[in-house]
Amino acid sequence: DQQVKQNSPSLSVQEGRISILNCDYTNSMFDYFLWYKKYPAEGPTFLISISSIKDKNEDGRFTVFLNKSAKHLSLHIVPSQPGDSAVYFCAASKDSGGSNYKLTFGKGTLLTVNP
Amino acid sequence: ETGVTQSPTHLIKTRGQQVTLRCSSQSGHNTVSWYQQALGQGPQFIFQYYREEENGRGNFPPRFSGLQFPNYSSELNVNALELDDSALYLCASSFPGGMGSPLHFGNGTRLTVT
Repeated sequence: DQQVKQNSPSLSVQEGRISILNCDYTNSMFDYFLWYKKYPAEGPTFLISISSIKDKNEDGRFTVFLNKSAKHLSLHIVPSQPGDSAVYFCAASKDSGGSNYKLTFGKGTLLTVNP
Repeated sequence: ETGVTQSPTHLIKTRGQQVTLRCSSQSGHNTVSWYQQALGQGPQFIFQYYREEENGRGNFPPRFSGLQFPNYSSELNVNALELDDSALYLCASSFPGGMGSPLHFGNGTRLTVT
C-alpha cells in the first residue's frame, strides 16, 4: 500500500516558466511533509518542508502548498532553471517531534527544465 | 562542516553472502537512519539509531541489522543476501528534533547481488 503517491513520473518545463510537482497521500496521521531533490549519483537533498498546521511555506523560488482535506501537496518552482533538473521526492512523516523520524517517500518525479 | 559520508560507493556480492555498509554522520548529528532505494522507487525506511539503540524499524526482516557507535557513525549489516536486496542504500543523519531537523543524506552505497 503506497501511502505517498507521485503520479507523474516525469515533467518537462521551459526555463523561466513555473514547474508544479504534485503529491498525494493516504495516511491522515501524516503531519509533516518534505520535498527532496536528487541528482544522479548523489543522495537526496532537503529542499523545503511544511507542517500540517500550515497551508503554505515559501523559500525563495520554492513554495509548497498543502491541502489537508484533499490530502494533496504541491511544490511550485518559479522561475524554473536548468539546474533544477533532477528527481523530486515527496516525503511525509507522522511524527512531529521526538527522535523517531521515519519518512515515507513517493516514487519521485523527474523534472527536466529545458533552456 | 562535514556532510554524511558512506562507504563503499559500490559493492557486488553473491546471493547468500553477508555485507556491511558504513556511514559517518554529519558533524553534530546524533541520529542515523538507513533507507533502501530500489530501482524506480523512492527510498524506503529500514531503521533508525539514536544513542546507540535502534529507535524505529520499517518493514524489513531481521537479517537487516545495524549498529551505532559512540561517535554516532553507523553500520548496516545484511545477512543471507537475496537478489532483491540489490539497491541503493542511503544513510541519513539528523538532530532528534522532529520538524526542525530534516534528514541529511549521504550519496549512498550501490549494492548489486548476483
